[in-house]
Parts: sequence; C-alpha cells; structure tokens
Amino acid sequence: DIVLTQSPGTLSLSPGDRATLSCRASQSVNSNYLAWYQQKPGQAPRLLIYGASSRATGIPDRFSGSGSGTDFTLTISRLEPEDFAVYYCQQYGNSPRWTFGQGTKVEIK
Amino acid sequence: QVQLVQSGAEVKKPGASMKVSCRASGYTFTAYYMHWVRQAPGQGLEWMGWINPNSGGTNYGQKFQGWVTITRDTSITTSYMELTRLTSDDTAVYFCARGASPGLVTAFDIWGQGTMVTVSS
Repeated sequence: DIVLTQSPGTLSLSPGDRATLSCRASQSVNSNYLAWYQQKPGQAPRLLIYGASSRATGIPDRFSGSGSGTDFTLTISRLEPEDFAVYYCQQYGNSPRWTFGQGTKVEIK
Repeated sequence: QVQLVQSGAEVKKPGASMKVSCRASGYTFTAYYMHWVRQAPGQGLEWMGWINPNSGGTNYGQKFQGWVTITRDTSITTSYMELTRLTSDDTAVYFCARGASPGLVTAFDIWGQGTMVTVSS
C-alpha cells in the first residue's frame, strides 16, 4: 500500500498567517487522486480538497491544494480562528485500498 | 439533507464482537460506496474497508481481512460494520463515510458522527 508522510507534525502559527502543509507519497498517486481533510476535536473529518486541487462544496477559497505524483501541498492563505485543527491527506488512486497520512496539527502560536 | 447517522457508543469485553450501524438519508443509498474508517484515541485515521450498497460487494484493508465484515440492508438504507475477537487495541471511534461520487475511485464527502467503542475487561 502507498504510505503517506505528512510534515510538519505540528505547525504553530497566528491568525492571518499563511499555512503550508506537505504530504509525500511512497509511490506515485494514480491520477492525482489525493484528498485533504480537516478534523476538529470530537468531530468527524471534513473533506476540503479532492483530486489534489479541487475544493469540495462550500470550502472557502483560502484553502488550496497543489502537487502531483508523490508531492502534494495544502495551503491556507490566511488562517482564520476556525482553521486551527488537524489536517489529513488521503490517497484514493491506489484502489481498492485507501490510505491516510498521520496528520498535521495547526495550532495557535 | 444528506446525512449518515451512526449507532451509539458501546463498551465491550475482550474477545467479544461488536456491530456498528450507519443509517443513510437524503440520497440514493445504492448509488454511492460506503466506507468505514476508525480512529484510536489521539491517533490518525485508518481505512478499514468498503461496501458497494448496490451489489453488496466488499473489500477490506489487509489488516482487517478475516475479522471485519461490512454489510448493508437496502430496505432501511443502513450499512453495518462488524468486528470480531476484540482486543484493547480496537478501542477507537468508528466512522462510516460516503464516497463523494458514484464509482469506486473517490474521496469521502459525508461522514457519520462516529461511534466510540471501548474494549475493556
């Protein structure tokens, strides 16, 4: 199975800062089938980005995804207070099996 | 609206089995794959398997083959995930999640609220 490695483990930033999260795959992700999720404590994950760069319904445009092959990035252009959470990448191109990264926590500095 | 509602929290003894339900509403249940994902306390997300609600076909992660069973009842638009031979390592929140579009190769756009399962003697 593809292994996804996210970095950094924790990102300490202030509201208004730009956040850049990385997700690296152990092998190329088919057709860039890479998604990003946001999870807050006690809640289910929320889909942000699919297909590496397409925003899911209702997701603000301060969230953007980029990358291809084995290297992917989630960028939050200006952090809002509600954006402090844990973010996971997920590949779904190597079906029939899906894998997640270990997560990046974005915390208030 | 589209939603997935899961059954309530459970406490199980080691060696027992558990079965979590996930009732879908607001969309055509048979048109979208259903996945199950778990999250141990303080840990990340772990994909367990999927079911095609139309055909009943399933596929499981290698780790779970032989001890997880995902089923569905189309008459009540509900999917079930059963895990046997529980150990303390199975203490986790279990989520169901819908494939974001018809077809297998897709992310998960709708999630259940999660079901906390605690395995303790």
